Amino acid sequence: SAVISQKPSRDICQRGTSLTIQCQVDSQVTMMFWYRQQPGQSLTLIATANQGSEATYESGFVIDKFPISRPNLTFSTLTVSNMSPEDSSIYLCSVAPLAGGSELQFFGPGTRLTVL
Amino acid sequence: AQSVTQLDSHVSVSEGTPVLLRCNYSSSYSPSLFWYVQHPNKGLQLLLKYTSAATLVKGINGFEAEFKKSETSFHLTKPSAHMSDAAEYFCVVSPQRGNTPLVFGKGTRLSVIA
Repeated sequence: SAVISQKPSRDICQRGTSLTIQCQVDSQVTMMFWYRQQPGQSLTLIATANQGSEATYESGFVIDKFPISRPNLTFSTLTVSNMSPEDSSIYLCSVAPLAGGSELQFFGPGTRLTVL
Repeated sequence: AQSVTQLDSHVSVSEGTPVLLRCNYSSSYSPSLFWYVQHPNKGLQLLLKYTSAATLVKGINGFEAEFKKSETSFHLTKPSAHMSDAAEYFCVVSPQRGNTPLVFGKGTRLSVIA
């Protein structure tokens, strides 16, 4: 399994500001994913981040709101832009090991975001 | 298309009694199925996975799940609940073909009463 860390672990932000969340993995991985877990809800995939190409966004999520970077095989960032209280969620990154495709994923501890 | 239905949003059991968390899935292909657990203020941890090998899958912490294709079910069980099992449990499906996203169920909150 991969060891995944996220920064920050939690933050409280003001409406209209932006927050960049970092995800670091202890080994090289092909695919990284960003999920959102709204309060009391399940996980929803925001986008898939591939190294060397633009992220692929799921329906309902756009690059202007959630820009993603993937500069190398061990690191990715997700920015939540122009935040509103509706963006208050836990944001999780996950990774798929190099050889396994995307079906087996390991998750980071999450970033708990509160927007006032 | 793939989907997952967790039949109970909340299950409450007494310590030492069996646990049953129900999950039904829908998939166009032979799926891979997973159970993840999320303890309060902690990340998701993989409990077990089914990927077309043995239909009875054993996971960590005494949990197991049985893949029943005829019933399209993948229920999670444990013979004897422990207080530390109290958490949110997610059933997840992934088609084995290609790199399509995981699909999460809505989760089942397990409470364990002393």
